[in-house]
Formats: sequence, C-alpha cells, structure tokens
Amino acid sequence: SFELTQPPSVSVSPGQTATITCSGDVLSKKYAYWYQQKSGQAPLLVIYEDTKRLSEIPERFSGSRSGTRATLTISGAQVEDDAEYYCYSPDSSGYRGVFGGGTKLTVL
Amino acid sequence: QVQLQESGPGLVKPSETLSLTCTVSGGSINSYHWGWIRQPPGKGLEWIGFFFYIGSTSYNPSLESRVTISIDTSKNQFSLKVVSVTATDTAMYYCARVRPSSSWYDRSPTYYMDVWGKGTTVTVPS
Repeated sequence: SFELTQPPSVSVSPGQTATITCSGDVLSKKYAYWYQQKSGQAPLLVIYEDTKRLSEIPERFSGSRSGTRATLTISGAQVEDDAEYYCYSPDSSGYRGVFGGGTKLTVL
Repeated sequence: QVQLQESGPGLVKPSETLSLTCTVSGGSINSYHWGWIRQPPGKGLEWIGFFFYIGSTSYNPSLESRVTISIDTSKNQFSLKVVSVTATDTAMYYCARVRPSSSWYDRSPTYYMDVWGKGTTVTVPS
C-alpha cells in the first residue's frame, strides 16, 4: 500500500493565499490530482496532472509538484473556497488509486 | 455534458449484499471507463475500484475479496456489489467517470475521476 499525507487543516483570511500540500513517494513518478468537496456536495476536480485546470475552475486555483510533494495554491482565497480538499494519485501500477486524508480549508 | 446518478437501497442488513447502480446520461457508457468511491460519515474519500471499457477491473486491495463492478451497456448503467457487508461499509457512495492519463515519469497509463455523481447514502446497522 502507499499513502498520501495532507495537513488536517489550513486557515486563511479572505484575499490571502492558501497553500495545501500532499506528500507521498508515489508522486515521484505519478501525477497528483486535487478535488474540492464543499459541505454536503460531491467532490469536484479542480486540478489534474499536477498543474492543469479545467476552464470552469477559477484562475486563482493552481497546482505544482516538486519531488514527492504536490501543492495546491489558492491565490486570493474567497469565502466560497471554504471546503475540504483531497489529493489523489494513481498507485505504482497506474490502475488503482488512493486519496490523501483531506485538508479542511477555512476562509474567514 | 455527461451526468451520473446513483441509486439503490439506503439500508442494507449486516451480512447481506449491497447493490448500487449508476445511470449515465448525456453520453455513451461505451466510450469511457467508470469507477466507485465511498466516504464514511465524517471521514475522507476511499477509492473502491474501476471498470475499464475493455472489460477489465481493478479494486482496492482492502475490498477486493468482497467487491464487484460491472456494466450494462443496454441500459447505460454500471453497478457496484459489495458482499457480506458490516457497519463499516456505511458510507456515501459515489460513482464517477474515469479518464485516462499517463505517468509523467515513464508515460505508463494511469487513471483519474473527472465527473462525479451526487452520491447515495448506504447504512448498514450494527
């Protein structure tokens, strides 16, 4: 088995930059993906293949990876970004996946 | 735009089989891969497994002995079965569309979920 480790919580004020990290050995060879889950809702893909963002996701969301650590950055976080964020990566085979434990982002 | 909708019984007795269906609308089920993810109350996401359109599957090793994912192309649906359930299988269950990608390291195939259903709650009483 393999693990992805995230901080349990991050807190910022509106307009500040929020940074959420995801660490795991598998990231040295596989991309990271990031999902946003607001309270009572299904997860939403916000970043795929480390850095790519779908057109419907605000530009303030960005992703990066260095070695075995992936980072989700929200530049100028808004109150509506208050949510749980999960990183995901395929395993070494590529055919299975695992989620990080999730990070609760509080924006207030 | 493809949409997914989970359905199935909200309550399953211990030791019985949990059966859920995901109905795909707005696109053909034949063109993609499909998957299931669950989330116990107040906890994080747990990847369950994938069904690849060539007919193969992959499962979470912790669930592999109890889980089956299958597809019914005539109904544009795919399904999840979990046998011998216990209270630890109580969760919100999500179905998702699975997209192919590749490792940045060696370009080997990998997969991720891009579109999710709204989820359905399943309770197994203790």
